[in-house]
Amino acid sequence: DTGVSQDPRHKITKRGQNVTFRCDPISEHNRLYWYRQTLGQGPEFLTYFQNEAQLEKSRLLSDRFSAERPKGSFSTLEIQRTEQGDSAMYLCASSLDGTSGGIYNEQFFGPGTRLTVL
Amino acid sequence: DQQVKQNSPSLSVQEGRISILNCDYTNSMFDYFLWYKKYPAEGPTFLISISSIKDKNEDGRFTVFLNKSAKHLSLHIVPSQPGDSAVYFCAASAYNQGGKLIFGQGTELSVKP
Repeated sequence: DTGVSQDPRHKITKRGQNVTFRCDPISEHNRLYWYRQTLGQGPEFLTYFQNEAQLEKSRLLSDRFSAERPKGSFSTLEIQRTEQGDSAMYLCASSLDGTSGGIYNEQFFGPGTRLTVL
Repeated sequence: DQQVKQNSPSLSVQEGRISILNCDYTNSMFDYFLWYKKYPAEGPTFLISISSIKDKNEDGRFTVFLNKSAKHLSLHIVPSQPGDSAVYFCAASAYNQGGKLIFGQGTELSVKP
């Protein structure tokens, strides 16, 4: 396993179109996170899954955003009716459960999908 | 509300000298702190972490210090190398909040030969 992978790496779309991104986590990791990063800012939490269950969604995740992790493995993030403000780097990360024996299980990030909405 | 802040957007250091990157936080529920390093066009890479029950953690050239009373942490890199040039993000997590990370804005470190 070579780490977290994301596809596509770059996506250019026109305003109003729908886009879908895919994330493949490290195989034994049961937690999967989505973050969004805009220029000059740190990554911002969007949502996370424990296995196939989506346990938390940020208020940043408007109704146009939906995420799934149908079999507890890969995940998809869909943005409907894209807006120019959606232009950002979308990062996926995975980890084991929060802690194991008191040791925090750090999150491993993928390379991200760069979305540009024209 | 910015719960994690890195007030220095950039830092320039001479090769071989110490680099000190600073981070402040406001949420006293945070119990784990991490530093990530990011190169352009790549995702963040985990560097070092510290639990709130400790005040120092060291890994090779990297040391993280935590001052809970001041809600402040710092990353020391000694000696700095040109390959350390990257954007460094401080992040914090609370155990009862699902492990999600709250990131600072980042500090761009430039190590000059």
